[in-house]
Amino acid sequence: EVQLVESGGGLVQPGGSLRVSCAASGFTFSSYWMSWVRQAPGKGLEWVANIKGDEKHYVDSLKGRFSISRDNAKNSLYLQMNSLRVEDTAVYYCTRRLPGTSSRDYWGQGALVTVSS
Amino acid sequence: QSALTQSASVSGSPGQSIAISCTGTSSDVGGYNYVSWYQQHPGKAPKLMIYDVSNRPSGVSNRFSGSKSGNTASLTISGLQAEDEADYYCSSYTSSSTWVFGGGTKLTVL
Repeated sequence: EVQLVESGGGLVQPGGSLRVSCAASGFTFSSYWMSWVRQAPGKGLEWVANIKGDEKHYVDSLKGRFSISRDNAKNSLYLQMNSLRVEDTAVYYCTRRLPGTSSRDYWGQGALVTVSS
Repeated sequence: QSALTQSASVSGSPGQSIAISCTGTSSDVGGYNYVSWYQQHPGKAPKLMIYDVSNRPSGVSNRFSGSKSGNTASLTISGLQAEDEADYYCSSYTSSSTWVFGGGTKLTVL
């Protein structure tokens, strides 16, 4: 059974840093594009970044502050978030995508990150 | 990387059909057959309903169908049921090798 389980969310002050993690199981992790998608409270979905091997892509508005990485040996995906702002408050979802398709077929339950003083 | 345009809300009665549109540009929706649709119930993670414009994942009802014409993609739900009431989001690959979502459409089943 495919499972994506996020962890590491919490409360952080503006300007602070936080790393959220995603533990994957039930599939060959290294073969898939993995992504982070976020959703601010009461708002829509926003694609944040994706990664496969050494290839990474980011939404323009977050380049330089957020960094995506993965450890295929640990079947884990990470999102390092620096210089956090109040507007980064959101649920951060880990998703996997079938190669060669737009099928983002599995999503984690999400990790809530709250940026507040 | 502007968000794709979706109408804010749509409604229909049980048994009816509704369509939700998603408008982008030639750099995203119009340029690739990489449009997908997601259903999200309150407090839940999104669920994939349609991928690559018109493909349905295993387990998704055939009442859900997708299409595309030019820069606009559409999700049609036929035979509306109460459990279809949810938020729906479209997503597309872009020429910048990134992905973009629509603003979401709230479906109300009357």
